[in-house]
Amino acid sequence: GENVEQHPSTLSVQEGDSAVIKCTYSDSASNYFPWYKQELGKGPQLIIDIRSNVGEKKDQRIAVTLNKTAKHFSLHITETQPEDSAVYFCAASGGGSEKLVFGKGTKLTVNP
Amino acid sequence: ETGVTQTPRHLVMGMTNKKSLKCEQHLGHNAMYWYKQSAKKPLELMFVYSLEERVENNSVPSRFSPECPNSSHLFLHLHTLQPEDSALYLCASSRGDHNEQFFGPGTRLTVL
Repeated sequence: GENVEQHPSTLSVQEGDSAVIKCTYSDSASNYFPWYKQELGKGPQLIIDIRSNVGEKKDQRIAVTLNKTAKHFSLHITETQPEDSAVYFCAASGGGSEKLVFGKGTKLTVNP
Repeated sequence: ETGVTQTPRHLVMGMTNKKSLKCEQHLGHNAMYWYKQSAKKPLELMFVYSLEERVENNSVPSRFSPECPNSSHLFLHLHTLQPEDSALYLCASSRGDHNEQFFGPGTRLTVL
């Protein structure tokens, strides 16, 4: 089955800097890769996703890149703000299954 | 808010108690999910319902019993739980033919 590895587990940046979180997956049939943000006391919230027919997707300060050959995808946050502080999860699914397999999460701290 | 609500938000129960968690989605989705989130572990998929039929049971102990009476409601019935079952239980929903899952805020369960 699918296995998703996520790095780093914690990330601390200064306000205004960029943050990058990386994930790798094992099943070459996976074709959907969402990113979730989870704030304290809340459920995960979908912030951006990408499908295997594109290599990059951007939404304001957030972008996701996908390298199908290497089976890895990354989340890029530019001009970070304190409210970006949260735990971020990557996930992968596809190959005929709706089942999402999640990474272990990255705790991002943006210092003012 | 995501359109997925969960009650109660917090629950403390003894090992001999019977309780139920409730999830309701207002998004017109036809697939619903239960996940378990424990500290320092990836989100663990427990059950998947599609069109009110259970399509996946991810080797979950029988002390957890799901129920999906219609496409908008999902329950998780709990009985004779163990302290290691203490976790955040998250409900999610999606359209059957899409992978985007929308999560509720979760129920923080503590088993004494």
